[in-house]
Amino acid sequence: DAKTTQPTSMDCAEGRAANLPCNHSTISGNEYVYWYRQIHSQGPQYIIHGLKNNETNEMASLIITEDRKSSTLILPHATLRDTAVYYCIVRDGGAGNMLTFGGGTRLMVKP
Amino acid sequence: GAVVSQHPSWVICKSGTSVKIECRSLDFQATTMFWYRQFPKQSLMLMATSNEGSKATYEQGVEKDKFLINHASLTLSTLTVTSAHPEDSSFYICSAIEASRLNTEAFFGQGTRLTVV
Repeated sequence: DAKTTQPTSMDCAEGRAANLPCNHSTISGNEYVYWYRQIHSQGPQYIIHGLKNNETNEMASLIITEDRKSSTLILPHATLRDTAVYYCIVRDGGAGNMLTFGGGTRLMVKP
Repeated sequence: GAVVSQHPSWVICKSGTSVKIECRSLDFQATTMFWYRQFPKQSLMLMATSNEGSKATYEQGVEKDKFLINHASLTLSTLTVTSAHPEDSSFYICSAIEASRLNTEAFFGQGTRLTVV
């Protein structure tokens, strides 16, 4: 799987949008971009994933650049409960492939 | 989303004893389950890939005789830490992928915190 690069940490004010960037310049054509988050002492929680097109669900939006070398996860109205480590992972779409976790971004939402 | 249940949530055991951790997919069938380990302030590290009805595939550096994995059904995989030592104390997490769906997300259990004293 291609490697990803994320900032180590970010702060965001409560109620504002949180924009978490991810670089994946070596992504291949069949690799999807997945986002997970991990709240302290819990298992990772799936947020969203996409291949080429931008995606939106009830939790977040995923913006993928046209060349697919980077993406941004957007939490439109961050709350204190969104404080977590956010992992950007690129993964082959085959069902058997595991997720390889990098360091992630520690997002701190502040009042 | 799909639910993966892990049991127990935490366990304390004496050095030299064995501990079994269960991972169940509650509302879907999982051909493949993955076991991860996470030390404090570190990311998740894949230990092994568990395939239903066959032997698990272990990552480099993970002792297969120490971390026994059994995936006897499409909804259950177990990880047994044998002869546990204090250095095995960690947060163990499983994940599962639904068998019938490609290009799909993996779902994670809530994790098991193992403390060996």
